[in-house]
Amino acid sequence: EDQVTQSPEALRLQEGESSSLNCSYTVSGLRGLFWYRQDPGKGPEFLFTLYSAGEEKEKERLKATLTKKESFLHITAPKPEDSATYLCAVLYNFNKFYFGSGTKLNVKP
Amino acid sequence: DVKVTQSSRYLVKRTGEKVFLECVQDMDHENMFWYRQDPGLGLRLIYFSYDVKMKEKGDIPEGYSVSREKKERFSLILESASTNQTSMYLCASTLIGQGYRFFGPGTRLTVL
Repeated sequence: EDQVTQSPEALRLQEGESSSLNCSYTVSGLRGLFWYRQDPGKGPEFLFTLYSAGEEKEKERLKATLTKKESFLHITAPKPEDSATYLCAVLYNFNKFYFGSGTKLNVKP
Repeated sequence: DVKVTQSSRYLVKRTGEKVFLECVQDMDHENMFWYRQDPGLGLRLIYFSYDVKMKEKGDIPEGYSVSREKKERFSLILESASTNQTSMYLCASTLIGQGYRFFGPGTRLTVL
């Protein structure tokens, strides 16, 4: 069965404490993996697209990586304003698009 | 700056009412989508459209219909609202072949 699983469900960090979020997938014919940030009560905001294993993308304190089975979103020295829910999604089998259930990140000052 | 807008941020309706949720995008995107988002269930696709007057059912179309009369506008219709349709509704759009979706700000619908 095609699946996208994100872990952990929730993560609490101290400001400056680096960590990683995981998105594992079991789909065939991956065409792209996408990371989004979602603030409470708002729509998801696009962060990154990764297309092939070994690819990396960076934006400020965030770095996304991709292997054949999973993607990581590394957060380096997070700040309270990085608190949000982070969603991953996969595009596969030509036009199937599926979201994970998200990781809720809370960064304490 | 690219934009997807939704007609209301918050909406409260009564059971049995007909509800219209409007979405407009200014990016000349062919594809438009309606999702609902619920705690523990994530984002689920209700309907999508890849062209004017074209529509396709998503994973949970029951109780909903859609309309796309113009390229930039995609409407979600709840024919007879029920309490289990209380949710956050998100509209998105994308270019053919682009992959990722641009999302609107969402409409929080409460059905009493």
